[in-house]
Amino acid sequence: AQKVTQAQTEISVVEKEDVTLDCVYETRDTTYYLFWYKQPPSGELVFLIRRNSFDEQNEISGRYSWNFQKSTSSFNFTITASQVVDSAVYFCALSVQGAQKLVFGQGTRLTINP
Amino acid sequence: DTGVSQDPRHKITKRGQNVTFRCDPISEHNRLYWYRQTLGQGPEFLTYFQNEAQLEKSRLLSDRFSAERPKGSFSTLEIQRTEQGDSAMYLCASSPKRRYNNEQFFGPGTRLTVL
Repeated sequence: AQKVTQAQTEISVVEKEDVTLDCVYETRDTTYYLFWYKQPPSGELVFLIRRNSFDEQNEISGRYSWNFQKSTSSFNFTITASQVVDSAVYFCALSVQGAQKLVFGQGTRLTINP
Repeated sequence: DTGVSQDPRHKITKRGQNVTFRCDPISEHNRLYWYRQTLGQGPEFLTYFQNEAQLEKSRLLSDRFSAERPKGSFSTLEIQRTEQGDSAMYLCASSPKRRYNNEQFFGPGTRLTVL
C-alpha cells in the first residue's frame, strides 16, 4: 500500500519569507511518480509538478523549487519570497506504475500574511 | 482549451434521495477519474475509466455508488439512498494517454450536502 504524509497541517508566514512544505511517502514499488497540487480558496486543484522515481534532480520553476530525496523518501516543496497569492492548501500525491490513482497526503494549509 | 467541467457545482439533498453528478473531461483525454474530498482531508480515489471501460474501483465505492462513461466522453456518478456521511466534494479529473501515470487535471468539483 502507498501512503503520503504531510506532517505540517498549517503554516503561516509573512510575505517575502521563504517557506518549505514537507512531504514523506511510502511505497514498496521501485517505479513511482510524485506530484504536488495547489488548492486555492476557489477549490480547484491545480497541478504544479510531476516527478518520476528515477529522476532525483531538483527542479526550480520561478519562485518554486522541489527537492526529491529517495534516501529519505521525501519530496519537499519550497516557495522563495512568498506572496499573498501563494496562500492555498498544498497537496503532495503519489502514484505507482500500473495503477493510475493518485494517493494524496492530508495537505498543508499555507497562509501568507501581508 | 477548456478544462474539466462538472455539473452541478452544489447539490443539497435529503437523506435517502438519489443524486447524479456529471463530469466532462478535457476533450482529447481518454482517462477519467473520480475522487471524494471531505473537509480538511486530501482527495480519495473512487474510480477510474479508460475510454468507456471502468478499470479500477476503490473499496470506498459502496454498492450505493455507480459510475458510468457510456461513450468514452462524459461520465456520471450516481449515489443512491444518500446518507449524511456522503456529504463531501466530489472531484473529477482527466488525463491523456501519452504516457504512464500522467498528471491529472481536476474540475471544480460538486459539493454535496446531505441533510
